[in-house]
Amino acid sequence: DAGVIQSPRHEVTEMGQEVTLRCKPISGHDYLFWYRQTMMRGLELLIYFNNNVPIDDSGMPEDRFSAKMPNASFSTLKIQPSEPRDSAVYFCASRQTGFSDTQYFGPGTRLTVL
Amino acid sequence: AQSVAQPEDQVNVAEGNPLTVKCTYSVSGNPYLFWYVQYPNRGLQFLLKYITGDNLVKGSYGFEAEFNKSQTSFHLKKPSALVSDSALYFCAVRDSGGYNKLIFGAGTRLAVHP
Repeated sequence: DAGVIQSPRHEVTEMGQEVTLRCKPISGHDYLFWYRQTMMRGLELLIYFNNNVPIDDSGMPEDRFSAKMPNASFSTLKIQPSEPRDSAVYFCASRQTGFSDTQYFGPGTRLTVL
Repeated sequence: AQSVAQPEDQVNVAEGNPLTVKCTYSVSGNPYLFWYVQYPNRGLQFLLKYITGDNLVKGSYGFEAEFNKSQTSFHLKKPSALVSDSALYFCAVRDSGGYNKLIFGAGTRLAVHP
C-alpha cells in the first residue's frame, strides 16, 4: 500500500488567498484525521471523519477553516482567507476500525502564508 | 482530565548507550498507549503500542516500551542507541471519552551523538 498521500508537500501563499490541502487515506481505512503541527502548540487535532462524515470538528480554529470528505478516498482542508498565523505543517492520518486505534500519518503539507 | 506528559524536551545520548524517553499518562479505564517517531520533514511513524498483556512491548527499529500501571508510565527504551535514532518522539494515549481520538504528548527530541 502507498500509505497516506498528501498534496501539495509545500505551499507558499500570500495572506488573504485561499489554500486547499488534499489527502488520500489508506484504502480500506474508515477514519480520517486532520492535524496541525507548530512549534508553539505542538500537534493539534483539527477534525476527524468516520465513513466520510465529520464526527468532531472542535479543533478547527475558526470559520476560515473547513474540511470535506466527498468519498472514502479523498479529503480536503481549506483555509479561506489564509493568514500568516496559519503557517504550519498539516498532517492527514487514517485508521481502520478494529485495529486498536493505530493511526497512520501522511508526510504532511508545509504551509507558509506570507 | 485525560493527558499525556513527556517531561523532557530533549534527551541526549551517546551512540551505543541505552536510551530512555519518558512518558506518563492520565486516563480513566484501561489505557491504550502508543509511541510514534517523527524524522525531519516527515510524518509521524508508528513505533509500538500497548493494549493489554505483557507489560514489555517490542516495536520497530529495536525499540521497546514498558507499561507500568502503578506509576502510570509508558517509557520508551532501546538497549543501544544509533545516531539514526535521532528524531522527535511522541507518546499518545487513546481518549477514553472518545475512542476514536488519540491524545498526544508534546514530544521529546532525541539526539544521539557519535
